[in-house]
Amino acid sequence: GAVVSQHPSWVICKSGTSVKIECRSLDFQATTMFWYRQFPKQSLMLMATSNEGSKATYEQGVEKDKFLINHASLTLSTLTVTSAHPEDSSFYICSATSGRDTGELFFGEGSRLTVL
Amino acid sequence: GQNIDQPTEMTATEGAIVQINCTYQTSGFNGLFWYQQHAGEAPTFLSYNVLDGLEEKGRFSSFLSRSKGYSYLLLKELQMKDSASYLCAVMDSNYQLIWGAGTKLIIKP
Repeated sequence: GAVVSQHPSWVICKSGTSVKIECRSLDFQATTMFWYRQFPKQSLMLMATSNEGSKATYEQGVEKDKFLINHASLTLSTLTVTSAHPEDSSFYICSATSGRDTGELFFGEGSRLTVL
Repeated sequence: GQNIDQPTEMTATEGAIVQINCTYQTSGFNGLFWYQQHAGEAPTFLSYNVLDGLEEKGRFSSFLSRSKGYSYLLLKELQMKDSASYLCAVMDSNYQLIWGAGTKLIIKP
């Protein structure tokens, strides 16, 4: 099946630094990628939807300037957490689809961010 | 508003059958998904229903009734490895996924 790779799997950083998480579709062209965050024992919370070559659409309450999303190619989207703080510590997951009619999302492995 | 409801937690016995229900109210409907998520891992796709009826895939089956806004995931011959959270998600008219909070399934020997 289709594969989505997310990197890094784990990252620990100091407060105030920026962290970049990459999401790659390895064997298909992802026209749309989604970024989620998930707190312990809670469901996925959609942060933003990004379409290749255009600006990401952010969900209400998600700060655009803090969570920078770039979807420069059909196989790569990046999420940059700028000036990270301890409350940004979470599990970040990306997913990708090749189109609306595929009926399936493919998830990356997730990235666990810990901000000290 | 848009809403997905599923039970918070269920317990079942190894070898048995369990049904996890999901009801939804969304702005339009473009399909319903079930995902399995083990603790600390990303979700994995289980099923996709867009037409009414039952879709069977091995030990897992998923049912959809669009008129009732209702779906269930049926797990047969339960194994200990089936202990996980099961997420129901509906794609609305804008092709946005609306997620349920997930059902934590606990399997006992």
